[in-house]
Amino acid sequence: DSGVTQTPKHLITATGQRVTLRCSPRSGDLSVYWYQQSLDQGLQFLIQYYNGEERAKGNILERFSAQQFPDLHSELNLSSLELGDSALYFCASSVAGATTYEQYFGPGTRLTVT
Amino acid sequence: AQSVTQLGSHVSVSEGALVLLRCNYSSSVPPYLFWYVQYPNQGLQLLLKYTSAATLVKGINGFEAEFKKSETSFHLTKPSAHMSDAAEYFCAVSGIGANNLFFGTGTRLTVIP
Repeated sequence: DSGVTQTPKHLITATGQRVTLRCSPRSGDLSVYWYQQSLDQGLQFLIQYYNGEERAKGNILERFSAQQFPDLHSELNLSSLELGDSALYFCASSVAGATTYEQYFGPGTRLTVT
Repeated sequence: AQSVTQLGSHVSVSEGALVLLRCNYSSSVPPYLFWYVQYPNQGLQLLLKYTSAATLVKGINGFEAEFKKSETSFHLTKPSAHMSDAAEYFCAVSGIGANNLFFGTGTRLTVIP
């Protein structure tokens, strides 16, 4: 158990819908990362927040957005969903922002778009 | 730009045999390098990391990796495979001071009894 929690574990929704994925980092960690894992794209970094502020952006679509709240939990919002958005979405947290600090991964949310 | 290439999407070894998982990196700046393991239906777990200190890095579960700048490689090894090592292994790279990791496509390790 990494200490990072993600809800829900599974999500099935239809094309065109909007969903919100939630992540609670390990106690004391200030940085949250979101990753997408799919068969065709592999594991891709989406976005990072540090203490409430966006710190780095990767291959995140404009239809996707994220935020980190004052209690440090984070939400990833996916809208206008397409079949290709079906993937495992991981959240990771670390004590600080740079990659020298170990990232602890949550168990993931499996999103299926039908 | 940073990237990693993992050679071999599937590797099979016998229990007790040497495990060798290959990773080559490309980086325009001195890299930090990482190996992560993913067990079925779980998130990723850090095995070990290279952050420009010793070139031979020891990790958890008996794994180690050697940073070879001349070969731009960071291969993962374990002298004797155990059934519990069966999992997917990811190599990742970042630039020093960077905030995010770039992952390889993964290598699925099968251990044959």
